[in-house]
Amino acid sequence: DTAVSQTPKYLVTQMGNDKSIKCEQNLGHDTMYWYKQDSKKFLKIMFSYNNKELIINETVPNRFSPKSPDKAHLNLHINSLELGDSAVYFCASSPVGQGNADTQYFGPGTRLTVL
Amino acid sequence: AQSVAQPEDQVNVAEGNPLTVKCTYSVSGNPYLFWYVQYPNRGLQFLLKYITGDNLVKGSYGFEAEFNKSQTSFHLKKPSALVSDSALYFCAVNEGMRFGAGTRLTVKP
Repeated sequence: DTAVSQTPKYLVTQMGNDKSIKCEQNLGHDTMYWYKQDSKKFLKIMFSYNNKELIINETVPNRFSPKSPDKAHLNLHINSLELGDSAVYFCASSPVGQGNADTQYFGPGTRLTVL
Repeated sequence: AQSVAQPEDQVNVAEGNPLTVKCTYSVSGNPYLFWYVQYPNRGLQFLLKYITGDNLVKGSYGFEAEFNKSQTSFHLKKPSALVSDSALYFCAVNEGMRFGAGTRLTVKP
């Protein structure tokens, strides 16, 4: 029944490691997003994909690479993790995409802690 | 650049009193404005949105928001607050997916 799901829910890892976070939506939406929420709860868009095509790529380090194998999945791979990457990462989806009036549906978040 | 601002980090109200969470926007053209709510350890949930038409928008859980073009505001309101409304509230503009910094609402019994 879960509309937007993320795995894992918690991720604790050492600096320098490479890790991935997976996201899946079963809503049939065309667009998916990754957001980063920092410790002050500020929410910032990182990437947006529409039908497997990148449409938003905000200024994030190139250690972050999104991958969309199909329009129901948008995974986030992070290389060489740094302390500053510690945050909660949210996946979201919407029916159409940027500039549209569509509502976004958010996943439960993945809390990443880099030690 | 499109943006929204939430001037208050924290809003405290007593249960049963009306509540207002403020949002102002800076958008060229006609804005699509949203309110989302985040409960502890959860993802954001949609409350309501303004696209066009009636300036008063009604949403989930008894919330409403008034679009005011002259004041470039989109304040969230509820006539009678509940303790269960305590959460983090985000205003957003769809263009560029910009969210405000969030306002923590605390409703005290």
